[in-house]
Amino acid sequence: GNSVTQMEGPVTLSEEAFLTINCTYTATGYPSLFWYVQYPGEGLQLLLKATKADDKGSNKGFEATYRKETTSFHLEKGSVQVSDSAVYFCALSGYSSASKIIFGSGTRLSIRP
Amino acid sequence: GAVVSQHPSRVICKSGTSVKIECRSLDFQATTMFWYRQFPKQSLMLMATSNEGSKATYEQGVEKDKFLINHASLTLSTLTVTSAHPEDSSFYICSAQHSGPTSNYNEQFFGPGTRLTVL
Repeated sequence: GNSVTQMEGPVTLSEEAFLTINCTYTATGYPSLFWYVQYPGEGLQLLLKATKADDKGSNKGFEATYRKETTSFHLEKGSVQVSDSAVYFCALSGYSSASKIIFGSGTRLSIRP
Repeated sequence: GAVVSQHPSRVICKSGTSVKIECRSLDFQATTMFWYRQFPKQSLMLMATSNEGSKATYEQGVEKDKFLINHASLTLSTLTVTSAHPEDSSFYICSAQHSGPTSNYNEQFFGPGTRLTVL
């Protein structure tokens, strides 16, 4: 079945450091891939998405490229800020209507001033 | 656009009581809504898929008589935790799937969550 594996946290970085959170997936067909962010005490917000191979999703300085050959969707940001501290979830969804979203286990990111 | 609200945001109740959580899509119609449960420092676990006008589809291991789901309109789904016990304490999150021609990638929009504490 479909699954998502992402790097375990917590990840602690200093402000302005480069961020990579690894995510790989297993799926049949051509899933859509997502990164969601959850700030403390809040629900999930879609950070970025990619719907086909080689697509690059980007938002708020974050980027992720849909790599079908390596079944990966790694999240990157060139210079993190304290406000980026949150839990990040990699996820996938099939193409059919009402497809379930399969979430990774989440990676907690803490940024030191 | 595509805002989903949940009410209440947090609730504390005594063991044995029932609690109803509402999930509303404020500016779009949602044929399908999903209910998730999240334990501290863990990922979201899908509990059930709710389709407007029909019975919900529950994931394996989720008690349908314990977690009653009603999706009476295209903008409202409710989750009722019946006879709640301390082990039901959790963060419950709903999402709504946009209906219509722009939903070609099946994006779900998430509510802010409801924190349930059962004493």
